[in-house]
Amino acid sequence: GAGVSQSPRYKVAKRGQDVALRCDPISGHVSLFWYQQALGQGPEFLTYFQNEAQLDKSGLPSDRFFAERPEGSVSTLKIQRTQQEDSAVYLCASSLKPGPNYGYTFGSGTRLTVV
Amino acid sequence: DAKTTQPTSMDCAEGRAANLPCNHSTISGNEYVYWYRQIHSQGPQYIIHGLKNNETNEMASLIITEDRKSSTLILPHATLRDTAVYYCIVRAHRTTSGTYKYIFGTGTRLKVLA
Repeated sequence: GAGVSQSPRYKVAKRGQDVALRCDPISGHVSLFWYQQALGQGPEFLTYFQNEAQLDKSGLPSDRFFAERPEGSVSTLKIQRTQQEDSAVYLCASSLKPGPNYGYTFGSGTRLTVV
Repeated sequence: DAKTTQPTSMDCAEGRAANLPCNHSTISGNEYVYWYRQIHSQGPQYIIHGLKNNETNEMASLIITEDRKSSTLILPHATLRDTAVYYCIVRAHRTTSGTYKYIFGTGTRLKVLA
């Protein structure tokens, strides 16, 4: 596609519920990132994929957060037993290659509200 | 990755140049400077990046000081649509974990005034 597509655009979950957030990167893009953005803050790194390999998951806040990219294209971020502090916008970004001269294209994000 | 310091907010009159400063005094030799902006309810948008030399594209110019400890993003003729949060980011060519990731700060909230 022309851009990075994320779905759903908005998600309301009851505390304790599991959620799955989807990211469709630009076709052929090798690198894929997930970021979490709290209200009024800059995005914070969660995890990074190079093709299907998850090379860095140091930003995942707890073991309730899990991400996958099984075929090196679409990625899913799963949050188990959601808590109120998980409320945020979750952004996905992709880049053609991992090098420093390749800018990232971000999706519009999924706004998760845990009630 | 080197940390960056930006003013919290700035105003600019429509049609005038907007000059957004960024301090990155601990930047190392292999770290690039990137600028992104985020318009309300959208994801960040790439603007420009550079290593040592000044850079210009259709959106903006990036001026990096000779010692690389600071830079300025210039929007030559600001419009109302340029109202956004602007992030200055430095990132190593390659981290020890093999990741190329951005560390965002809180950015500069630019308001373009009519």
